[in-house]
Amino acid sequence: DIQLTQSPSSLSASVGDRVTITCQASQDITNYLNWYQQKPGKAPKLLIYDASNLETGVPSRFSGSGSGTHFTFTISSLQPEDIATYYCQQYHLPRTFGQGTKLEIK
Amino acid sequence: QVQLQESGPGLVKPSQTLSLTCTVSGGSISTGSYSWTWIRQPAGKGLEWIGHIYITGSTNYNPSLKSRVTLSIDTSKNQFSLKLSSVTAADTAVYYCARETPSGYFYMDVWGKGTTVIVSS
Repeated sequence: DIQLTQSPSSLSASVGDRVTITCQASQDITNYLNWYQQKPGKAPKLLIYDASNLETGVPSRFSGSGSGTHFTFTISSLQPEDIATYYCQQYHLPRTFGQGTKLEIK
Repeated sequence: QVQLQESGPGLVKPSQTLSLTCTVSGGSISTGSYSWTWIRQPAGKGLEWIGHIYITGSTNYNPSLKSRVTLSIDTSKNQFSLKLSSVTAADTAVYYCARETPSGYFYMDVWGKGTTVIVSS
């Protein structure tokens, strides 16, 4: 199985800050990587697919980049409603998720 | 738009079989080449992919669960189902069903709200 390692595991930032989360794959996954946002008690929500494509309706302050084994997820200007846990996910078989990054407001 | 809803017992005894159903509304489960997916999340922990099924009946399972998992699909009822046998407390989790897009980019764009299953005697 392909392992995904996210860093940091938790992050505290201020409104308006630029926030970056990284996801490292245990082997080359080209651009087969998605990013999800999960708020407490809710199902995950797709934000970014195929490493850098913004899902329809998702604010443009969210972005993704990377290929191969190293990927980055960025929020350009943190908003209060962005408080959530973020997961990367690769789509080789079996699908796997990173362990999550919990984002809090400072 | 398509919506998914999980249903099934919230409490299962150890060694028994967990059975859940996901009902698809707002569209036909047979439209397109989507895969229909199950994911679970123990309380306070991360997401684990269980497996998925296509309308052809073709399946892929997480190797860690493969010996205990069976997925099925009923196009006449617009539902797909999960059976997990020989459950233990480690199977206690929120179980989500989701739709994964067809070939090309593979991502889960529609999710159910999740259902909590507790394994306890």
